[in-house]
Amino acid sequence: QVQLVESGGGVVQPGGSLRLSCAASGFTFSNYDMHWVRQAPGKGLEWVAFIRYDGDNKYYLDSVKGRFTISRDNSNTLYLQMNSLRTEDTAVYYCVRMYHGFDYWGQGTLVTVSS
Amino acid sequence: EIVLTQSPGTLSLSPGERATLSCRASQSFSSTYLAWYQQKPGQAPRVLIYGASSRATGIPDRFSASGSGTDFTLTISRLEPEDFAVYYCQQFGASPPYAFGQGTKVEIK
Repeated sequence: QVQLVESGGGVVQPGGSLRLSCAASGFTFSNYDMHWVRQAPGKGLEWVAFIRYDGDNKYYLDSVKGRFTISRDNSNTLYLQMNSLRTEDTAVYYCVRMYHGFDYWGQGTLVTVSS
Repeated sequence: EIVLTQSPGTLSLSPGERATLSCRASQSFSSTYLAWYQQKPGQAPRVLIYGASSRATGIPDRFSASGSGTDFTLTISRLEPEDFAVYYCQQFGASPPYAFGQGTKVEIK
C-alpha cells in the first residue's frame, strides 16, 4: 500500500533552517509528481512546492521562493530544505503524491518557528 | 494566479440532510484540474473528487460534484455522521500556485 512518512520537523528559531524528508513506499516513486502542502495551526491548507517526477520542474509559493528548496532522490525520498525560517512558516507540513488530484498524503510533520 | 473562494464558510445541517458546497474561481480553468478534499480533525486531508466530477477510489456515491469554468459544486446527498468535517476545493494543475479554497466546515446542527 502507498505510504508517505515525513520526518525532520521540530522547533527552530527565526532565521534558522530545517530539512524535511518524506520516505515513499508502495508505489514507483520516480513516476509521480510530488508536492509539499502545509497547514498552520487552526488554518486551511496552503500549497508550498511542486517537483516533477524527474526533478526537472519545480514551482514554489511566492512567500517561500528563495528560502525553500524542493528536491527528490528517486530511490524514494522527497525533501524540503527550509532556510531563513519565519514565524509564519509554523505549520504541519505534508508530503503529497499527485495523480488523480493530491491522492496520497503523509501524516505530516510539525515545524514550529519561535524564539 | 487563480484564487478559489468557497461558500458558505460553515454549513449547519442534520444527519440525513443534503449538503451543497460551492467553490468559485477568480478565472476560468479546465475542470480536469479541480479537486475536492475532506479533512477531519487531527487527520490529513483525503481526496474525494478529481477532474471536477470523478470520485476517488473508495469514496461513497453520496458524494458528487459538478461544474466548469469558474463555478464548481460538491454535493453530499444524505449526510452520514462521518461526513461532518472541513471540505476544500483545489486547482491542482492549471498553473501554480496550486491553491486551495479556504474551506467549508460542515457541522452538526
